[in-house]
Amino acid sequence: EDQVTQSPEALRLQEGESSSLNCSYTVSGLRGLFWYRQDPGKGPEFLFTLYSAGEEKEKERLKATLTKKESFLHITAPKPEDSATYLCAVQAQGSQGNLIFGKGTKLSVKP
Amino acid sequence: NAGVMQNPRHLVRRRGQEARLRCSPMKGHSHVYWYRQLPEEGLKFMVYLQKENIIDESGMPKERFSAEFPKEGPSILRIQQVVRGDSAAYFCASSSGPNQPQHFGDGTRLSIL
Repeated sequence: EDQVTQSPEALRLQEGESSSLNCSYTVSGLRGLFWYRQDPGKGPEFLFTLYSAGEEKEKERLKATLTKKESFLHITAPKPEDSATYLCAVQAQGSQGNLIFGKGTKLSVKP
Repeated sequence: NAGVMQNPRHLVRRRGQEARLRCSPMKGHSHVYWYRQLPEEGLKFMVYLQKENIIDESGMPKERFSAEFPKEGPSILRIQQVVRGDSAAYFCASSSGPNQPQHFGDGTRLSIL
C-alpha cells in the first residue's frame, strides 16, 4: 500500500535554529513528490515538486531534497513567520493524478 | 485573485440535509481535485475531474457523495443526507494537467448538527 510518513509530528525551534523535516514514502513507482505549507484555517500552499532522486529545490530559507525512499525539507535560520504545518505528498506512477498526503509536521519558531 | 475559489467557507447542516460545496479552479486550469481533511488526519483524496468528466473517483464514498464539473460554472461536491461523520474540511485543488502541481483553495468547513 502506498503511504507517506512525516516526522517529527511537531517541532519547536528558536529563531535562527536550522533543522530538517523528514518525509518517508512507500510507493509503487514515484511520479512526483510535493511539499506544501498550510497555515491555520487556510488551504495548502504549494512549495516544491521533486521528480527524481538527487534533485534539490530551494526557495528563500527552504531547501527540499529527494532520495529513493525519503525527502527532507531543510529550514535554514528560520523566522517566526515560517511557523506552519508542512505537508508532504506523493503521486504514484499509474495514478490518475491523486496525491497521497502525510499528516504533516507542525513547525513553531519562537523569536 | 486568480487562485482557487471555494464557497461557502463555512457550512452548517442538520443531519439528513444536503450539502453543496463549490469550487472555481484557477484561471487556465481544467483539472479539479477534491480532498477531505478530518481533525488530526491527513488530506485524503476523494475525486478527480476534468470538464464534464470524472477521471478518478476511487476515494469517494459509494453512497451519498457525488461530484461534477460542468462545461460552464464551478465544480460541485454534493453530499446527500449528511451524517455527523461528514463533518470535516473539504478542499478543492486545480492544476493545468494531471502531473502538474495542484493548487488548493482555502476549503469549506462543514459542520453537521
